[in-house]
Amino acid sequence: RKEVEQDPGPFNVPEGATVAFNCTYSNSASQSFFWYRQDCRKEPKLLMSVYSSGNEDGRFTAQLNRASQYISLLIRDSKLSDSATYLCVCDGSSNTGKLIFGQGTTLQVKP
Amino acid sequence: DTGVSQDPRHKITKRGQNVTFRCDPISEHNRLYWYRQTLGQGPEFLTYFQNEAQLEKSRLLSDRFSAERPKGSFSTLEIQRTEQGDSAMYLCASSRGGADTQYFGPGTRLTVL
Repeated sequence: RKEVEQDPGPFNVPEGATVAFNCTYSNSASQSFFWYRQDCRKEPKLLMSVYSSGNEDGRFTAQLNRASQYISLLIRDSKLSDSATYLCVCDGSSNTGKLIFGQGTTLQVKP
Repeated sequence: DTGVSQDPRHKITKRGQNVTFRCDPISEHNRLYWYRQTLGQGPEFLTYFQNEAQLEKSRLLSDRFSAERPKGSFSTLEIQRTEQGDSAMYLCASSRGGADTQYFGPGTRLTVL
């Protein structure tokens, strides 16, 4: 079983749609959680950190449920430019900063 | 451009050859990480440095792989006797500390024929 599991998709949605991605993690000791965005053949870039209280950045909302070991990302009013792979990420252990990535979920926003 | 650079960007080699990749982190970043990413998968942790000290190595890093960060600045990753299974994108990332945001370089794409 992978440490971080995501539905690889692809998710094909029309512009303006709301789309949600979920992931689960197995290491209950993980302390930090993130969503990274990766465009085709590019490096991953931090989209946002994820906190238990939930956090929002414009059209993006991330939530963490520690009890269920579940992380989500909601994208509202999808844009063509949101098309990318979204990687769910946990820290492997405290202090090292080692990141454990999920497989990634591919989003394709269509006109 | 995050400020992390990697060289070369692409490398094609024949099975059995040795290859070396270089990563230049953002200056003053103490932490440097190496990851490997294969098609359709997320990046997998290989190893990391705190300044010049290599503090952790993944079991993915077989004895054919070696990484160094001799002066606590740039790092090199060497793969000896390459195999076709080594074909992947090799990503470097740096951060100020363990709890800080990691910034990734553009990666080195290795193809082993």
